[in-house]
Amino acid sequence: DAGITQSPRHKVTETGTPVTLRCHQTENHRYMYWYRQDPGHGLRLIHYSYGVKDTDKGEVSDGYSVSRSKTEDFLLTLESATSSQTSVYFCAISGGLAGGTDTQYFGPGTRLTVL
Amino acid sequence: AQSVTQPDIHITVSEGASLELRCNYSYGATPYLFWYVQSPGQGLQLLLKYFSGDTLVQGIKGFEAEFKRSQSSFNLRKPSVHWSDAAEYFCAVLFDSNYQLIWGAGTKLIIKP
Repeated sequence: DAGITQSPRHKVTETGTPVTLRCHQTENHRYMYWYRQDPGHGLRLIHYSYGVKDTDKGEVSDGYSVSRSKTEDFLLTLESATSSQTSVYFCAISGGLAGGTDTQYFGPGTRLTVL
Repeated sequence: AQSVTQPDIHITVSEGASLELRCNYSYGATPYLFWYVQSPGQGLQLLLKYFSGDTLVQGIKGFEAEFKRSQSSFNLRKPSVHWSDAAEYFCAVLFDSNYQLIWGAGTKLIIKP
């Protein structure tokens, strides 16, 4: 399995509070992604990064921001959490030395509940 | 717009029976194609992928998938399912215009004893 960890694994927070989720990789992969998973929607891309300090928006980026100050860490911030952001969040990586940019490997997920 | 469709939300199969999960995509060219599996409460694990070449690809856990260009399909198959195959299966497509995966909504596989 690719070396991807996410923290925290579970979080309960209140509406209006900021929340930061962390993704850490030990694979030196160039690309990192944040997805949310909701029943009936599959996975939807929030933001992704194609290098240190290089990020771009995905399909559902409103209300989220990201930062990548070093290769191994990709942070997702909910600036002011809302109940609609209750979801399971997955980090993924791709673009390792042998695999190119084409296969994504996933972390274990973070379950976030916004009350 | 590019899209991925998994027409079956749930499929129930008896243990030992064969399985086929459907995936269709809309796109003019040949994309990169993936199947992932997610066990309850777990992350996503790559089952197999198709980039080019032989249109029948083998994956882990005894799964295979066939790419059919004429039907824009990439269906997942297994000749004999085991109770441990109960999970949700996702088809995903990487269109070469960007590096973003487009996901199907998933098919939940239920195994009857």
